[in-house]
Amino acid sequence: SAVISQKPSRDICQRGTSLTIQCQVDSQVTMMFWYRQQPGQSLTLIATANQGSEATYESGFVIDKFPISRPNLTFSTLTVSNMSPEDSSIYLCSVGEGQYNSPLHFGNGTRLTVT
Amino acid sequence: GIQVEQSPPDLILQEGANSTLRCNFSDSVNNLQWFHQNPWGQLINLFYIPSGTKQNGRLSATTVATERYSLLYISSSQTTDSGVYFCAVHILTGGGNKLTFGTGTQLKVEL
Repeated sequence: SAVISQKPSRDICQRGTSLTIQCQVDSQVTMMFWYRQQPGQSLTLIATANQGSEATYESGFVIDKFPISRPNLTFSTLTVSNMSPEDSSIYLCSVGEGQYNSPLHFGNGTRLTVT
Repeated sequence: GIQVEQSPPDLILQEGANSTLRCNFSDSVNNLQWFHQNPWGQLINLFYIPSGTKQNGRLSATTVATERYSLLYISSSQTTDSGVYFCAVHILTGGGNKLTFGTGTQLKVEL
């Protein structure tokens, strides 16, 4: 499966600031996603990162708060904007092996703490 | 939306013991995947199993889609099996590309 590199691996940020998380894949992939995992919780899909167009956001997530870029088939960024302590979570990049409805693989995640 | 419940929520095993984890889902699904999240947070895809049975070493999984459940079997458990196990489902219609994750089973394997 593809090798997914995510950075930073962790960060501590002040409230009101923004953090951009990068996800690099070692091969071209069609499907790329961003998930959030709040402390002690399961994973929730934030959005599907679409190459060359605006991301598709899930209910409860908006572009102003979580802008996403996907300039090509191997790279994506997620920005967490105007952070508050409630944004403290693990943010995970994931890719599908193939097209729609395929096995999913994850990067190592970014552990974010907002103070 | 679809509900995905896992049981038990927590499990403590002695090394060498066997266990069965269960995933129940409330609607028809297109596929089901099992993941292991290790204590450092890394998520590994264990199985892509929309139906039937698959085995990979000491792990095996069975999905009975018509009865809306899946089972993950861990045999001869080792301390490295510790972590959280998630099932995740992709629904047949209206779900787009979304995988809905279950509530998770926290497993601790002790010496």
